[in-house]
Amino acid sequence: DIQMTQSPSSLSASVGDRVIITCRASQSISSYLNWYQQKPGKAPNLLIYVASSLQSGVPSRFSGSGSGTDFTLTISSLQPEDFATYYCQQSYSTPYTFGQGTKLEIK
Amino acid sequence: QVQLQESGPGLVKPSETLSLTCTVSGGSISNYYWNWIRQPPGKGLEWIGYLYYSGSTDYNPSLKSRVTISVDTSKNHFSLKLRSVTAADTAVYYCAREGRDYKFDYWGQGTLVTVSS
Repeated sequence: DIQMTQSPSSLSASVGDRVIITCRASQSISSYLNWYQQKPGKAPNLLIYVASSLQSGVPSRFSGSGSGTDFTLTISSLQPEDFATYYCQQSYSTPYTFGQGTKLEIK
Repeated sequence: QVQLQESGPGLVKPSETLSLTCTVSGGSISNYYWNWIRQPPGKGLEWIGYLYYSGSTDYNPSLKSRVTISVDTSKNHFSLKLRSVTAADTAVYYCAREGRDYKFDYWGQGTLVTVSS
């Protein structure tokens, strides 16, 4: 199985801050990396697919980059609705696997 | 707008079989991969497996011996069966569509299944 490791596991930030979350794969996954946002009691919501493509309807303050084993999710200017848990997920090979999550909290 | 809705018992006894159905509305079940994903309370996401509308399947090796995913295209729904459950199978179970570019683009709201006697 491909292991996905996110850092940090939790992060405190303020409205307006620029935030970067990283995700590392245990082997190369080319660009087959997706990012999801999950709020309490809700299903995950797709933000970024194939590493850097913005899903329709997602605000442009979200962006993704990377390829191979190292990826980042950047939120350019945090908004109050962005405080949530973020997961990366590899779709390079089955079993599909997720990172452990990064909980973004209000400072 | 595609919508997915999970249904099934919220409580299952240990050693019995967990059975859930995901009904797809607003679009056809054809030409996509349909997935089950679960999340134990307070924990991360685990992919259970997928089914292609034609009936081919792929399962997580960690669950493969206990899982069956099937489809009923006439009803536009697909189903999950997980046999011989234990407390470790207690989780919110999500169904999700795998769209083009290998992304989970539509999700059900999730259903909590508790394994307890």
